[in-house]
Amino acid sequence: KNEVEQSPQNLTAQEGEFITINCSYSVGISALHWLQQHPGGGIVSLFMLSSGKKKHGRLIATINIQEKHSSLHITASHPRDSAVYICAAINNNDMRFGAGTRLTVKP
Amino acid sequence: DGGITQSPKYLFRKEGQNVTLSCEQNLNHDAMYWYRQDPGQGLRLIYYSQIVNDFQKGDIAEGYSVSREKKESFPLTVTSAQKNPTAFYLCASSRAGLHQETQYFGPGTRLLVL
Repeated sequence: KNEVEQSPQNLTAQEGEFITINCSYSVGISALHWLQQHPGGGIVSLFMLSSGKKKHGRLIATINIQEKHSSLHITASHPRDSAVYICAAINNNDMRFGAGTRLTVKP
Repeated sequence: DGGITQSPKYLFRKEGQNVTLSCEQNLNHDAMYWYRQDPGQGLRLIYYSQIVNDFQKGDIAEGYSVSREKKESFPLTVTSAQKNPTAFYLCASSRAGLHQETQYFGPGTRLLVL
């Protein structure tokens, strides 16, 4: 079993829909990282959080340390949000990545 | 403007040949990382360096080597000892600390060994 599990693996939505991507981890962590990988392969850091909630534009990330769970929400989704979203759990000097959620937003 | 560059974008090599992937950053970051990505799997850490002239093995270092002679540069050599080298390779950097600060990623190099 992977230490970091993401769900769903694949997600297709219509433009404007509210999106939720989930990340569960089995180890204690000091922080969690959400990344976005574009179709060309480039990766952009979205959020790094250790508690509560962070918001940037239409993106919201939440984390529940007790439940070892984090979610990434996208409001008013748009085709340009289509990408692979990756969560990574940071535990001291170790970072473990989920396999990613492939999001496709259709116009 | 600042960022991380990796070259080339695509690289083809014959089996048994060593190949070096370039990674350069002008962000003045101390820490640099090399990751490997395979289809359907999470990124895996190959090597990392927290400071010039120092580097450490990650989870899958076998068959790879690195150097960190300059702060800006962290080249990765895929040797003939790496049994399955075909993959997407990503370089990243952060201001300091191992995984403690936001990492900035390069565009990646896709290596295909024939």
